[in-house]
Amino acid sequence: DTGVSQNPRHKITKRGQNVTFRCDPISEHNRLYWYRQTLGQGPEFLTYFQNEAQLEKSRLLSDRFSAERPKGSFSTLEIQRTEQGDSAMYLCASSLSDSWGDRETQYFGPGTRLLVL
Amino acid sequence: AQSVSQHNHHVILSEAASLELGCNYSYGGTVNLFWYVQYPGQHLQLLLKYFSGDPLVKGIKGFEAEFIKSKFSFNLRKPSVQWSDTAEYFCAVNRWSNTGKLIFGQGTTLQVKP
Repeated sequence: DTGVSQNPRHKITKRGQNVTFRCDPISEHNRLYWYRQTLGQGPEFLTYFQNEAQLEKSRLLSDRFSAERPKGSFSTLEIQRTEQGDSAMYLCASSLSDSWGDRETQYFGPGTRLLVL
Repeated sequence: AQSVSQHNHHVILSEAASLELGCNYSYGGTVNLFWYVQYPGQHLQLLLKYFSGDPLVKGIKGFEAEFIKSKFSFNLRKPSVQWSDTAEYFCAVNRWSNTGKLIFGQGTTLQVKP
């Protein structure tokens, strides 16, 4: 299966610790998105990359959050000094965008469930 | 603020009943519309999508959705549900622009009783 993969699938950490999640998109997909989903809510956009360039960040993404996609392939999302409010499912999605960027379908990974104690 | 509303948060149906889940969005202009499904223990999967053309779109597993531009709606339907349709359903929208970010509704949990 060559779908989107995410690691780890679960992460339990103590408040104040740093955590890093990894996303491997579908091969050759040029766009990669991060979303956050809390219980009873739909996913909320955090940030996205086109190739290695980070093109948009949500206001939800505080300065404790940083994301990278260094070679335009996999991406990492780091949360520094975690807080209990960071507990959520972190979803990654990838897509193949045409030159217009207006017709694309995002495919989601299984997510990383973060629990901050 | 731009938003997507799913009116039914929790729906319980018996097998063979018909299903309609509402979705409304608040954007003006041209949009792309999606329904995703999340089965228990699984990740989000695409059910169907609308980009342009025929406003009635058909997806996997017998689902269909109708885009009504004048009502800013994209309701999901299935004539006869099965127990295996028990899942959470999310409507999502993005605007025609160079960013593909999706705005999701809060989801509808569908429980189908055998």
